[in-house]
Amino acid sequence: DAGVTQSPTHLIKTRGQQVTLRCSPKSGHDTVSWYQQALGQGPQFIFQYYEEEERQRGNFPDRFSGHQFPNYSSELNVNALLLGDSALYLCASSLLNRRNTEAFFGQGTRLTVV
Amino acid sequence: AQRVTQPEKLLSVFKGAPVELKCNYSYSGSPELFWYVQYSRQRLQLLLRHISRESIKGFTADLNKGETSFHLKKPFAQEEDSAMYYCALGSGGSNYKLTFGKGTLLTVNP
Repeated sequence: DAGVTQSPTHLIKTRGQQVTLRCSPKSGHDTVSWYQQALGQGPQFIFQYYEEEERQRGNFPDRFSGHQFPNYSSELNVNALLLGDSALYLCASSLLNRRNTEAFFGQGTRLTVV
Repeated sequence: AQRVTQPEKLLSVFKGAPVELKCNYSYSGSPELFWYVQYSRQRLQLLLRHISRESIKGFTADLNKGETSFHLKKPFAQEEDSAMYYCALGSGGSNYKLTFGKGTLLTVNP
Protein backbone atom coordinates (compact mmCIF):
# COMPACT_ATOMS: atom_id res chain seq x y z
CA ASP A 1 0.00 0.00 0.00
CA ALA A 2 1.51 3.29 -1.12
CA GLY A 3 -0.47 5.21 1.45
CA VAL A 4 -1.80 8.62 0.49
CA THR A 5 -0.36 9.89 -2.78
CA GLN A 6 -0.52 13.43 -4.06
CA SER A 7 0.35 14.94 -7.41
CA PRO A 8 2.13 16.95 -8.52
CA THR A 9 4.82 17.39 -5.86
CA HIS A 10 5.67 20.93 -6.93
CA LEU A 11 3.84 23.50 -8.98
CA ILE A 12 4.48 27.08 -10.03
CA LYS A 13 1.55 29.20 -11.18
CA THR A 14 0.98 32.82 -12.06
CA ARG A 15 -1.34 35.07 -10.11
CA GLY A 16 -4.88 34.83 -11.49
CA GLN A 17 -4.48 31.34 -12.88
CA GLN A 18 -6.32 28.23 -11.76
CA VAL A 19 -4.78 25.08 -10.32
CA THR A 20 -5.89 21.49 -9.69
CA LEU A 21 -4.22 19.26 -7.13
CA ARG A 22 -4.87 15.54 -6.88
CA CYS A 23 -4.99 13.01 -4.07
CA SER A 24 -5.39 9.25 -3.89
CA PRO A 25 -6.36 8.03 -0.42
CA LYS A 26 -4.89 5.12 1.44
CA SER A 27 -6.40 1.80 0.38
CA GLY A 28 -9.65 1.16 2.26
CA HIS A 29 -10.22 4.79 3.21
CA ASP A 30 -13.34 6.62 2.11
CA THR A 31 -12.83 10.16 3.41
CA VAL A 32 -10.45 12.79 2.12
CA SER A 33 -9.57 16.05 3.83
CA TRP A 34 -7.48 18.89 2.46
CA TYR A 35 -5.23 21.19 4.46
CA GLN A 36 -3.19 24.27 3.61
CA GLN A 37 0.12 24.73 5.38
CA ALA A 38 1.71 28.13 5.00
CA LEU A 39 5.38 28.55 5.83
CA GLY A 40 5.98 28.41 9.58
CA GLN A 41 2.36 27.49 10.33
CA GLY A 42 0.50 24.34 11.18
CA PRO A 43 -1.84 22.77 8.63
CA GLN A 44 -5.17 24.55 8.29
CA PHE A 45 -8.33 22.62 7.40
CA ILE A 46 -9.85 23.52 4.02
CA PHE A 47 -12.62 20.94 3.56
CA GLN A 48 -13.50 17.27 3.74
CA TYR A 49 -15.15 14.95 1.22
CA TYR A 50 -17.12 11.80 1.83
CA GLU A 51 -19.45 10.00 -0.58
CA GLU A 52 -18.53 12.55 -3.23
CA GLU A 53 -19.91 15.42 -1.17
CA GLU A 54 -18.31 18.20 0.81
CA ARG A 55 -19.09 17.40 4.45
CA GLN A 56 -17.20 20.06 6.34
CA ARG A 57 -15.51 23.27 5.35
CA GLY A 58 -12.99 25.49 7.03
CA ASN A 59 -12.65 29.24 6.73
CA PHE A 60 -11.63 29.39 3.08
CA PRO A 61 -13.20 31.42 0.25
CA ASP A 62 -15.24 29.91 -2.55
CA ARG A 63 -12.19 30.11 -4.81
CA PHE A 64 -11.28 26.83 -3.13
CA SER A 65 -13.40 23.95 -4.36
CA GLY A 66 -13.07 20.24 -4.53
CA HIS A 67 -14.36 17.02 -5.84
CA GLN A 68 -14.36 13.39 -4.84
CA PHE A 69 -14.65 10.58 -7.36
CA PRO A 70 -16.36 7.19 -6.96
CA ASN A 71 -12.96 5.58 -6.33
CA TYR A 72 -12.54 7.99 -3.36
CA SER A 73 -9.74 9.99 -4.97
CA SER A 74 -10.09 13.73 -4.74
CA GLU A 75 -9.15 16.99 -6.37
CA LEU A 76 -8.61 20.43 -4.91
CA ASN A 77 -9.20 23.35 -7.26
CA VAL A 78 -8.16 26.91 -6.60
CA ASN A 79 -9.33 29.69 -8.90
CA ALA A 80 -7.98 33.20 -9.35
CA LEU A 81 -4.75 32.41 -7.55
CA LEU A 82 -3.32 34.98 -5.17
CA LEU A 83 0.26 35.28 -3.99
CA GLY A 84 -1.02 34.32 -0.54
CA ASP A 85 -2.16 30.95 -1.83
CA SER A 86 1.48 29.87 -1.97
CA ALA A 87 1.72 27.00 0.51
CA LEU A 88 2.06 23.28 0.99
CA TYR A 89 -1.27 21.57 0.35
CA LEU A 90 -1.78 18.37 2.27
CA CYS A 91 -4.28 15.65 1.67
CA ALA A 92 -5.32 13.31 4.48
CA SER A 93 -7.46 10.20 4.23
CA SER A 94 -9.40 8.37 6.92
CA LEU A 95 -12.28 6.01 7.43
CA LEU A 96 -15.56 7.64 8.35
CA ASN A 97 -17.66 6.43 11.23
CA ARG A 98 -14.81 4.59 12.82
CA ARG A 99 -14.27 5.94 16.30
CA ASN A 100 -10.50 5.81 16.54
CA THR A 101 -9.80 6.40 12.88
CA GLU A 102 -6.40 7.82 12.11
CA ALA A 103 -5.84 10.45 9.46
CA PHE A 104 -2.99 9.49 7.12
CA PHE A 105 -1.28 12.35 5.31
CA GLY A 106 0.30 12.58 1.91
CA GLN A 107 3.64 14.21 1.18
CA GLY A 108 1.90 17.33 -0.04
CA THR A 109 1.97 19.55 -3.11
CA ARG A 110 4.12 22.66 -2.88
CA LEU A 111 2.32 25.44 -4.73
CA THR A 112 4.16 28.65 -5.55
CA VAL A 113 2.21 31.57 -6.99
CA VAL A 114 4.30 34.23 -8.71
CA ALA B 1 -14.02 28.66 18.25
CA GLN B 2 -11.47 25.94 18.63
CA ARG B 3 -7.84 26.78 18.96
CA VAL B 4 -4.58 24.98 19.67
CA THR B 5 -1.62 26.82 21.10
CA GLN B 6 1.95 25.58 21.14
CA PRO B 7 3.87 28.31 22.92
CA GLU B 8 7.35 27.15 21.96
CA LYS B 9 8.41 27.47 18.35
CA LEU B 10 11.81 25.94 19.07
CA LEU B 11 12.99 23.58 21.80
CA SER B 12 16.55 22.37 22.16
CA VAL B 13 17.68 19.72 24.65
CA PHE B 14 20.62 17.40 25.11
CA LYS B 15 20.45 13.67 24.57
CA GLY B 16 19.21 11.92 27.71
CA ALA B 17 17.49 15.00 29.08
CA PRO B 18 13.75 15.09 29.73
CA VAL B 19 11.63 16.89 27.20
CA GLU B 20 8.19 18.44 27.42
CA LEU B 21 6.38 20.00 24.48
CA LYS B 22 3.51 22.15 25.60
CA CYS B 23 0.04 22.23 24.06
CA ASN B 24 -3.04 24.10 25.22
CA TYR B 25 -6.41 24.00 23.54
CA SER B 26 -9.68 25.85 23.50
CA TYR B 27 -12.83 23.90 22.64
CA SER B 28 -16.33 23.93 24.04
CA GLY B 29 -17.13 20.30 23.28
CA SER B 30 -15.50 17.03 24.22
CA PRO B 31 -12.02 17.23 22.71
CA GLU B 32 -10.02 14.59 20.93
CA LEU B 33 -6.35 15.47 21.11
CA PHE B 34 -3.50 14.20 19.00
CA TRP B 35 0.21 14.67 18.57
CA TYR B 36 1.55 14.49 15.04
CA VAL B 37 5.24 14.38 14.16
CA GLN B 38 7.11 15.24 11.01
CA TYR B 39 10.66 13.95 10.68
CA SER B 40 12.98 15.57 8.16
CA ARG B 41 11.81 14.92 4.58
CA GLN B 42 8.97 12.70 5.75
CA ARG B 43 5.24 13.13 5.81
CA LEU B 44 3.18 14.14 8.78
CA GLN B 45 2.33 11.08 10.86
CA LEU B 46 0.36 10.37 13.99
CA LEU B 47 2.47 9.93 17.11
CA LEU B 48 -0.22 9.37 19.69
CA ARG B 49 -3.77 10.27 20.68
CA HIS B 50 -5.26 10.82 24.10
CA ILE B 51 -7.96 8.16 23.65
CA SER B 52 -5.38 5.41 23.31
CA ARG B 53 -3.50 6.38 26.47
CA GLU B 54 -0.45 4.59 25.15
CA SER B 55 3.24 5.34 25.01
CA ILE B 56 4.80 5.60 21.57
CA LYS B 57 8.59 5.79 21.15
CA GLY B 58 8.76 6.62 24.85
CA PHE B 59 6.44 9.62 24.51
CA THR B 60 3.33 10.07 26.62
CA ALA B 61 0.70 12.77 26.80
CA ASP B 62 -2.04 13.26 29.34
CA LEU B 63 -5.18 15.20 28.67
CA ASN B 64 -5.81 17.69 31.47
CA LYS B 65 -9.29 19.08 30.95
CA GLY B 66 -9.00 21.43 33.92
CA GLU B 67 -5.95 23.12 32.46
CA THR B 68 -7.05 22.43 28.86
CA SER B 69 -3.61 21.02 28.15
CA PHE B 70 -2.15 18.01 26.37
CA HIS B 71 1.59 18.26 26.91
CA LEU B 72 3.90 15.73 25.28
CA LYS B 73 6.61 14.27 27.48
CA LYS B 74 9.58 11.96 27.25
CA PRO B 75 11.90 11.25 30.17
CA PHE B 76 15.07 10.70 28.11
CA ALA B 77 15.33 12.37 24.72
CA GLN B 78 17.14 10.67 21.85
CA GLU B 79 18.76 12.28 18.81
CA GLU B 80 16.24 10.55 16.54
CA ASP B 81 13.46 12.45 18.31
CA SER B 82 14.55 15.61 16.52
CA ALA B 83 11.54 16.62 14.43
CA MET B 84 8.63 19.00 14.09
CA TYR B 85 5.81 18.22 16.50
CA TYR B 86 2.23 19.37 16.02
CA CYS B 87 -0.55 19.20 18.56
CA ALA B 88 -3.99 18.80 16.97
CA LEU B 89 -7.58 18.96 18.15
CA GLY B 90 -10.18 16.77 16.48
CA SER B 91 -13.74 18.01 16.26
CA GLY B 92 -16.88 17.30 14.28
CA GLY B 93 -17.71 13.83 15.50
CA SER B 94 -16.63 10.75 13.59
CA ASN B 95 -15.83 12.71 10.45
CA TYR B 96 -13.65 15.02 12.42
CA LYS B 97 -11.48 17.80 11.16
CA LEU B 98 -8.16 18.58 12.76
CA THR B 99 -7.17 21.96 14.11
CA PHE B 100 -3.40 22.16 14.39
CA GLY B 101 -1.09 24.27 16.47
CA LYS B 102 1.81 26.04 14.80
CA GLY B 103 4.23 23.33 15.80
CA THR B 104 7.38 23.02 17.90
CA LEU B 105 10.71 22.15 16.33
CA LEU B 106 12.53 19.84 18.72
CA THR B 107 16.29 19.49 18.40
CA VAL B 108 18.07 16.89 20.48
CA ASN B 109 21.78 17.60 20.65
CA PRO B 110 24.40 14.86 21.16
